[in-house]
Amino acid sequence: GAGVSQSPSNKVTEKGKDVELRCDPISGHTALYWYRQSLGQGLEFLIYFQGNSAPDKSGLPSDRFSAERTGGSVSTLTIQRTQQEDSAVYLCASSPGLGDNNEQFFGPGTRLTVL
Amino acid sequence: QKEVEQNSGPLSVPEGAIASLNCTYSDRGSQSFFWYRQYSGKSPELIMSIYSNGDKEDGRFTAQLNKASQYVSLLIRDSQPSDSATYLCAVNPPSGTYKYIFGTGTRLKVLA
Repeated sequence: GAGVSQSPSNKVTEKGKDVELRCDPISGHTALYWYRQSLGQGLEFLIYFQGNSAPDKSGLPSDRFSAERTGGSVSTLTIQRTQQEDSAVYLCASSPGLGDNNEQFFGPGTRLTVL
Repeated sequence: QKEVEQNSGPLSVPEGAIASLNCTYSDRGSQSFFWYRQYSGKSPELIMSIYSNGDKEDGRFTAQLNKASQYVSLLIRDSQPSDSATYLCAVNPPSGTYKYIFGTGTRLKVLA
Protein backbone atom coordinates (compact mmCIF):
# COMPACT_ATOMS: atom_id res chain seq x y z
CA GLY A 1 0.00 0.00 0.00
CA ALA A 2 0.93 3.64 -0.18
CA GLY A 3 1.57 4.01 3.52
CA VAL A 4 1.25 2.35 6.90
CA SER A 5 -2.36 1.67 7.79
CA GLN A 6 -3.82 0.96 11.20
CA SER A 7 -7.22 -0.17 12.37
CA PRO A 8 -9.39 0.71 14.07
CA SER A 9 -8.73 4.45 14.11
CA ASN A 10 -10.62 4.75 17.38
CA LYS A 11 -11.49 2.16 19.98
CA VAL A 12 -13.52 2.69 23.11
CA THR A 13 -13.66 -0.22 25.50
CA GLU A 14 -14.59 -1.02 29.04
CA LYS A 15 -12.03 -1.74 31.71
CA GLY A 16 -11.23 -5.43 31.81
CA LYS A 17 -11.98 -6.14 28.16
CA ASP A 18 -9.40 -7.34 25.65
CA VAL A 19 -8.57 -5.28 22.56
CA GLU A 20 -6.71 -6.04 19.37
CA LEU A 21 -5.02 -3.37 17.28
CA ARG A 22 -3.89 -3.98 13.74
CA CYS A 23 -1.04 -2.57 11.67
CA ASP A 24 -0.40 -3.07 7.97
CA PRO A 25 3.10 -1.83 7.06
CA ILE A 26 4.35 -0.35 3.82
CA SER A 27 4.72 -3.09 1.24
CA GLY A 28 8.24 -4.53 1.27
CA HIS A 29 9.16 -3.11 4.68
CA THR A 30 10.61 -5.86 6.82
CA ALA A 31 10.83 -3.98 10.10
CA LEU A 32 7.77 -2.97 12.10
CA TYR A 33 7.55 -1.00 15.34
CA TRP A 34 4.86 -0.30 17.91
CA TYR A 35 4.85 2.85 20.04
CA ARG A 36 2.45 4.37 22.53
CA GLN A 37 1.84 8.07 22.99
CA SER A 38 -0.15 9.30 25.95
CA LEU A 39 -1.77 12.73 25.85
CA GLY A 40 0.89 15.42 25.74
CA GLN A 41 3.70 12.91 26.11
CA GLY A 42 6.49 11.62 23.94
CA LEU A 43 6.60 8.33 22.11
CA GLU A 44 7.11 5.24 24.23
CA PHE A 45 8.69 2.28 22.42
CA LEU A 46 6.81 -0.99 22.90
CA ILE A 47 8.20 -3.64 20.55
CA TYR A 48 9.76 -4.12 17.14
CA PHE A 49 9.72 -6.94 14.61
CA GLN A 50 12.23 -7.95 11.99
CA GLY A 51 10.26 -10.25 9.75
CA ASN A 52 8.11 -12.33 12.06
CA SER A 53 10.49 -12.33 15.00
CA ALA A 54 10.55 -9.82 17.82
CA PRO A 55 14.14 -9.40 19.03
CA ASP A 56 13.22 -6.67 21.48
CA LYS A 57 10.10 -6.86 23.62
CA SER A 58 11.61 -4.76 26.38
CA GLY A 59 9.14 -1.93 26.02
CA LEU A 60 5.97 -3.90 26.63
CA PRO A 61 4.57 -2.40 29.88
CA SER A 62 3.23 -5.63 31.34
CA ASP A 63 2.35 -9.21 30.50
CA ARG A 64 -1.10 -8.00 29.50
CA PHE A 65 0.50 -6.71 26.30
CA SER A 66 1.49 -9.01 23.47
CA ALA A 67 2.15 -8.64 19.78
CA GLU A 68 2.60 -10.89 16.84
CA ARG A 69 3.39 -10.61 13.19
CA THR A 70 2.60 -13.25 10.64
CA GLY A 71 3.77 -13.58 7.07
CA GLY A 72 6.25 -10.78 7.61
CA SER A 73 3.49 -8.26 7.06
CA VAL A 74 0.48 -7.47 9.25
CA SER A 75 0.99 -7.15 12.97
CA THR A 76 -1.49 -7.19 15.81
CA LEU A 77 -1.00 -5.72 19.26
CA THR A 78 -3.23 -7.28 21.88
CA ILE A 79 -3.98 -5.79 25.26
CA GLN A 80 -5.71 -8.11 27.70
CA ARG A 81 -7.80 -6.98 30.67
CA THR A 82 -7.46 -3.33 29.69
CA GLN A 83 -6.93 -0.72 32.36
CA GLN A 84 -7.64 3.00 32.27
CA GLU A 85 -3.92 3.75 32.15
CA ASP A 86 -3.78 1.92 28.83
CA SER A 87 -5.67 4.82 27.24
CA ALA A 88 -3.35 6.34 24.65
CA VAL A 89 -2.68 6.55 20.94
CA TYR A 90 -0.96 3.42 19.68
CA LEU A 91 1.29 4.11 16.72
CA CYS A 92 2.79 1.66 14.30
CA ALA A 93 5.77 2.41 12.07
CA SER A 94 7.64 0.46 9.45
CA SER A 95 11.04 0.72 7.82
CA PRO A 96 12.71 -1.05 4.89
CA GLY A 97 14.91 -3.00 7.30
CA LEU A 98 16.87 -2.68 10.46
CA GLY A 99 20.13 -0.85 10.65
CA ASP A 100 21.40 2.60 11.23
CA ASN A 101 20.03 4.36 8.21
CA ASN A 102 16.53 2.98 8.04
CA GLU A 103 13.90 5.66 8.33
CA GLN A 104 10.65 4.82 10.10
CA PHE A 105 7.31 5.84 8.64
CA PHE A 106 4.30 6.06 10.90
CA GLY A 107 0.71 5.05 10.46
CA PRO A 108 -2.19 7.26 11.56
CA GLY A 109 -2.50 5.53 14.92
CA THR A 110 -5.28 3.95 16.94
CA ARG A 111 -6.77 6.04 19.73
CA LEU A 112 -7.68 3.72 22.58
CA THR A 113 -9.98 4.90 25.34
CA VAL A 114 -10.59 2.62 28.31
CA LEU A 115 -13.62 3.62 30.34
CA GLN B 1 19.59 12.59 32.41
CA LYS B 2 17.13 11.84 29.63
CA GLU B 3 18.58 10.06 26.64
CA VAL B 4 17.20 12.62 24.17
CA GLU B 5 16.36 16.09 25.39
CA GLN B 6 14.41 18.85 23.77
CA ASN B 7 13.06 22.11 25.09
CA SER B 8 9.29 21.66 25.27
CA GLY B 9 8.60 25.25 24.23
CA PRO B 10 6.47 26.73 22.93
CA LEU B 11 8.93 28.43 20.64
CA SER B 12 7.22 31.39 19.04
CA VAL B 13 8.61 32.99 15.89
CA PRO B 14 7.10 35.54 13.50
CA GLU B 15 6.14 34.48 10.01
CA GLY B 16 9.13 34.62 7.67
CA ALA B 17 11.71 34.22 10.43
CA ILE B 18 14.11 31.33 11.00
CA ALA B 19 13.01 28.81 13.62
CA SER B 20 15.81 26.96 15.38
CA LEU B 21 15.03 23.71 17.17
CA ASN B 22 17.62 21.91 19.24
CA CYS B 23 18.10 18.40 20.54
CA THR B 24 20.83 16.85 22.68
CA TYR B 25 21.47 13.17 23.22
CA SER B 26 23.39 11.22 25.79
CA ASP B 27 24.72 8.16 23.94
CA ARG B 28 27.93 9.26 22.26
CA GLY B 29 27.92 6.26 19.93
CA SER B 30 24.60 7.17 18.31
CA GLN B 31 24.75 7.07 14.54
CA SER B 32 21.45 8.15 13.07
CA PHE B 33 19.29 11.15 13.79
CA PHE B 34 15.82 12.05 12.61
CA TRP B 35 13.43 14.96 12.79
CA TYR B 36 9.69 14.39 12.75
CA ARG B 37 6.85 16.90 12.63
CA GLN B 38 3.65 16.11 14.48
CA TYR B 39 0.51 18.18 14.06
CA SER B 40 -1.97 18.08 16.90
CA GLY B 41 -4.02 14.89 16.74
CA LYS B 42 -1.90 13.43 13.94
CA SER B 43 0.93 10.94 13.76
CA PRO B 44 4.61 11.91 13.33
CA GLU B 45 5.76 12.69 9.81
CA LEU B 46 9.42 12.30 8.86
CA ILE B 47 11.05 15.57 7.81
CA MET B 48 14.73 14.75 7.62
CA SER B 49 17.38 12.27 8.56
CA ILE B 50 21.06 13.04 9.12
CA TYR B 51 23.94 10.68 9.69
CA SER B 52 27.15 12.71 9.24
CA ASN B 53 28.51 15.76 10.97
CA GLY B 54 27.64 19.02 9.30
CA ASP B 55 24.60 20.43 7.57
CA LYS B 56 21.98 18.78 5.40
CA GLU B 57 19.52 20.94 3.51
CA ASP B 58 16.13 20.02 2.08
CA GLY B 59 14.06 22.93 0.87
CA ARG B 60 13.38 25.27 3.78
CA PHE B 61 14.74 22.76 6.28
CA THR B 62 18.35 22.34 7.37
CA ALA B 63 19.47 19.70 9.83
CA GLN B 64 22.76 20.21 11.63
CA LEU B 65 24.67 17.48 13.43
CA ASN B 66 27.60 17.83 15.80
CA LYS B 67 28.54 14.44 17.22
CA ALA B 68 31.40 15.81 19.33
CA SER B 69 28.97 18.05 21.19
CA GLN B 70 26.14 15.52 20.97
CA TYR B 71 23.54 17.80 19.53
CA VAL B 72 21.40 17.94 16.46
CA SER B 73 19.35 20.89 15.35
CA LEU B 74 16.70 21.74 12.79
CA LEU B 75 16.45 25.14 11.15
CA ILE B 76 13.28 26.17 9.37
CA ARG B 77 13.77 29.14 7.06
CA ASP B 78 10.95 31.47 6.04
CA SER B 79 8.70 29.97 8.73
CA GLN B 80 5.01 29.74 7.85
CA PRO B 81 1.96 29.41 10.10
CA SER B 82 1.54 25.92 8.62
CA ASP B 83 4.86 24.98 10.23
CA SER B 84 3.21 25.32 13.65
CA ALA B 85 3.48 21.83 15.12
CA THR B 86 5.48 19.77 17.57
CA TYR B 87 8.90 18.72 16.30
CA LEU B 88 10.28 15.43 17.56
CA CYS B 89 13.94 14.51 17.55
CA ALA B 90 14.72 10.78 17.31
CA VAL B 91 18.06 9.08 17.82
CA ASN B 92 19.10 5.59 16.83
CA PRO B 93 21.57 4.37 19.46
CA PRO B 94 24.65 2.35 18.48
CA SER B 95 24.25 -0.62 16.20
CA GLY B 96 22.66 -3.61 17.80
CA THR B 97 19.70 -1.75 19.21
CA TYR B 98 17.19 -0.69 16.64
CA LYS B 99 14.63 1.14 18.66
CA TYR B 100 14.60 4.87 18.18
CA ILE B 101 14.74 7.04 21.26
CA PHE B 102 12.41 10.00 20.87
CA GLY B 103 12.57 13.32 22.62
CA THR B 104 9.37 14.72 24.02
CA GLY B 105 9.26 17.37 21.30
CA THR B 106 9.37 21.13 20.93
CA ARG B 107 6.14 22.93 20.17
CA LEU B 108 6.64 25.59 17.49
CA LYS B 109 4.20 28.44 16.95
CA VAL B 110 4.64 30.61 13.87
CA LEU B 111 2.79 33.87 14.31
CA ALA B 112 1.13 35.42 11.25
